Amino acid sequence: DGGITQSPKYLFRKEGQNVTLSCEQNLNHDAMYWYRQDPGQGLRLIYYSQIVNDFQKGDIAEGYSVSREKKESFPLTVTSAQKNPTAFYLCASSVNRGPPWETQYFGPGTRLLVL
Amino acid sequence: GDSVTQMEGPVTLSEEAFLTINCTYTATGYPSLFWYVQYPGEGLQLLLKATKADDKGSNKGFEATYRKETTSFHLEKGSVQVSDSAVYFCALSDPSQAGTALIFGKGTTLSVSS
Repeated sequence: DGGITQSPKYLFRKEGQNVTLSCEQNLNHDAMYWYRQDPGQGLRLIYYSQIVNDFQKGDIAEGYSVSREKKESFPLTVTSAQKNPTAFYLCASSVNRGPPWETQYFGPGTRLLVL
Repeated sequence: GDSVTQMEGPVTLSEEAFLTINCTYTATGYPSLFWYVQYPGEGLQLLLKATKADDKGSNKGFEATYRKETTSFHLEKGSVQVSDSAVYFCALSDPSQAGTALIFGKGTTLSVSS
C-alpha cells in the first residue's frame, strides 16, 4: 500500500538538543510539506519542497531546517534555536502537476515533547 | 492573503442528530476547498473536496457545496454516529500555485454521544 510514514511516533528532546523527524513517502509525489499543529491553532506551514534539492520556508520556519536529497524523503530537524518545540508535527505530500495536484495526503504525525 | 474561518467548537451532539460545521473563506482567485478529519492521535485524512463553484463534495454521508456567492463550504451530515467524533478542518488551496501549502482553519471538535 502506498502512503506516508513518519517516525518516531513520540520524540523527546532535551534542552539544547537538535532532533530529526523522519518523513518517507512511496506515492511518487513531487511535493512534500511539514506542518506544525498546536491545540486550537490549526496547522501552520514550516517548510515545503516542490522538487528534489529545493525547498522553501513557510510561515514559521525559524528554528527548523530541512533537506530534500531524495524524492521519497523530507526530514525535518528541530534545532536548539526553536524555543517552544512541543507540538504535533505532520508531514504531507502531493503531486506537482496534473490532477489531483491540489490534494495533500498526510502522515500519522510525530509528537515532540521537551524534557 | 487567503484565509479560512470555521466555527469554533466544541460541537456536542447526540447520535443521529444533524450536523453543520460552518466554513467561510477569503481568496483572491478561485481556490479548491477541502474538509479534512483528524481522529485522536492521528494525522489528517481527506474527507471531501470541491474544485470549482457549485461542486458538491461527498463522502461517508458528509457533504459540502462550494458556494462562491457566499464564499462558503459548510460541512453537513444528516445523522451523526459516535464514530464521527473527531476534529474537522476546512482548508483551501490556490490552484494557480501547484505544490504550495494548504491554508487551514483552526479546526472544529465534534463530540457525539450515544
